[in-house]
Amino acid sequence: DGGITQSPKYLFRKEGQNVTLSCEQNLNHDAMYWYRQDPGQGLRLIYYSQIVNDFQKGDIAEGYSVSREKKESFPLTVTSAQKNPTAFYLCASSAGQGPRPGELFFGEGSRLTVL
Amino acid sequence: GDSVTQMEGPVTLSEEAFLTINCTYTATGYPSLFWYVQYPGEGLQLLLKATKADDKGSNKGFEATYRKETTSFHLEKGSVQVSDSAVYFCALSDSSYKLIFGSGTRLLVRP
Repeated sequence: DGGITQSPKYLFRKEGQNVTLSCEQNLNHDAMYWYRQDPGQGLRLIYYSQIVNDFQKGDIAEGYSVSREKKESFPLTVTSAQKNPTAFYLCASSAGQGPRPGELFFGEGSRLTVL
Repeated sequence: GDSVTQMEGPVTLSEEAFLTINCTYTATGYPSLFWYVQYPGEGLQLLLKATKADDKGSNKGFEATYRKETTSFHLEKGSVQVSDSAVYFCALSDSSYKLIFGSGTRLLVRP
């Protein structure tokens, strides 16, 4: 079945540690996205990538980094510079080549807790 | 910039009640509009969408009409079920590659 796989589902981190969240898709989509979800605040865009080897900052990129070396993969690193990293992280992809992304397909999310 | 405003929740209804979740937007140009649903512990799933004014999106008994004159995209369902309990997000896509989401509305349906 085609879809988006995020791992791990739950992750605990000590303060000052970097952590990388995995996102893999087998939908052959060009565009991929990372969103952060906090209670009562909806989804906020961290980074997005329209094509391999290219990505752009979203609205809250500070303290995060990404790479897009393969079409299928878009890992997110939460660095120690992120002041409040405890959140639910959602990866998504879309087939959109034109100016609008159309439908986004989401993974099941990764819940990061900083101890 | 573009934005989406949803009614605050939680919305609590009895089974078979009528549902309305309000959504209004601010955008330049002519965005596409979406409703996504998130069940507990899961990612988001597309529920319905509309790409131009007066379009009606529908799925699983839910409907929403793209009203340009009132910049609204309210979600409705005639008879809710317990299984509809979830968080509902209104969203728009503009001329960039981004979807802009509202803050979400939690729906709780009691038997």
